[in-house]
Amino acid sequence: QSVLTQPPSVSAAPGQKVTISCSGSSSNIGNNYVSWYQHLPGTAPKLLIYENNKRPSGIPDRFSGSKSGTSATLGITGLQTGDEADYYCGTWDNSLYAGVFGGGTKLTVL
Amino acid sequence: EVQLLESGGGLVQPGGSLRLSCAASGLTFSNYDMSWVRQAPGKGLEWVSAILNSGTTTYYTDSVKGRFTISRDNSKNTLYLQMNSLRGEDTALYYCAKGPSNGNFDYWGQGTLVTVSS
Repeated sequence: QSVLTQPPSVSAAPGQKVTISCSGSSSNIGNNYVSWYQHLPGTAPKLLIYENNKRPSGIPDRFSGSKSGTSATLGITGLQTGDEADYYCGTWDNSLYAGVFGGGTKLTVL
Repeated sequence: EVQLLESGGGLVQPGGSLRLSCAASGLTFSNYDMSWVRQAPGKGLEWVSAILNSGTTTYYTDSVKGRFTISRDNSKNTLYLQMNSLRGEDTALYYCAKGPSNGNFDYWGQGTLVTVSS
């Protein structure tokens, strides 16, 4: 059972938009920055979004992040088949003194 | 270019020990907090442990407290994870990650596989 809650899967057609939610609490999302990662199992996870809504160099603006209260959202527009991967939200939990991730969301581009 | 290269994984019996290493390059290692994150087969990412840049403060997820020890050698640009009393549920791909920095992990290694089985 993950501290942060994500939907197990989302899907959409190529070119469409999808959003992935991440729900937490005041001890984690509510008082800390949220980051998002793209991961293909067996490979190194890639940072997509940091500090709620910032993109590292090289990440296209098709990827966006937002945060409100104890929830965060990752948005992906102009979906491509290459976007198929697992996506994770993450942050720090001030009560657990631990890093925490969501359970992951598998994106399927139909 | 930042590179993190893990090593030390392998097959170990329940109750056994392993020491993982992560060699860092392309960054001033001593300036950054570092972590270990794992992914068990068919499961999601799980943060395991973190160490502050000075090495003086460490953090652990509850399931490894008292069994795992994170450490670093800033003179060798290397991060370690000593794993004792290993259990089947510790079987996972273990990643070295730079961070947390404001809660994020911006660089990751390719991982080293730990299998705990008799």
